[in-house]
Amino acid sequence: EVQLVESGGGLVQPGRSLKLSCAASGFTFSNYYMAWVRQAPKKGLEWVATISTSGSRTYYPDSVKGRFTISRDNAKSSLYLQMNSLKSEDTATYYCARPTIAAISTPFAYWGQGTLVTVSS
Amino acid sequence: DIVMTQSPTSMSISVGDRVTMNCKASQNVGSNVDWYQQKTGQSPKLLIYKASNRYTGVPDRFTGSGSGTDFTFTISNMQAEDLAVYYCMQSNSYPRTFGGGTKLELK
Repeated sequence: EVQLVESGGGLVQPGRSLKLSCAASGFTFSNYYMAWVRQAPKKGLEWVATISTSGSRTYYPDSVKGRFTISRDNAKSSLYLQMNSLKSEDTATYYCARPTIAAISTPFAYWGQGTLVTVSS
Repeated sequence: DIVMTQSPTSMSISVGDRVTMNCKASQNVGSNVDWYQQKTGQSPKLLIYKASNRYTGVPDRFTGSGSGTDFTFTISNMQAEDLAVYYCMQSNSYPRTFGGGTKLELK
């Protein structure tokens, strides 16, 4: 069974950093692109980052480019999101997501339960 | 960036209704649109990929159509368990972008 379990969320002050983790199991992690998608409270979904199977290619929207870094450790079947210079508008539930099949980046067939990040002083 | 505009933003529906919602892309995205369902307090769930392909295990009352810039998602026989917010997302290019969602509520 595919499982994605996010962790690392919490309350953080504006301008500080936070690192999220996603522990994957039930599939060969190294074969899959992975992504982060977030959802601000009572708002819609926003794609945050995607990483290729080897980690050599990463993609971001302008809203987080230069502040967020997606990475992975295939040996540990883990996905990460390093978030720097956090802003109040980064407050959201962050989901880890996996596509349907290997070697493609979408659609997102599997989602974690999410971890809440609150940016506030 | 490609803007995905969903309409309507909400719908009041009854069980048994046929429900249709739309998603319009600001530029041609081919057939690269996926549809997700999100129930209150839950993670999103993939229903339709590449505009018209039903994902594994998704009931056949859910259908998608369209190409280019105009896409439609239909629930043919609304069930109570289908109450949710539905999102389209374009996967034609980066950055991936979602529509604002269509919320289904009981009349």
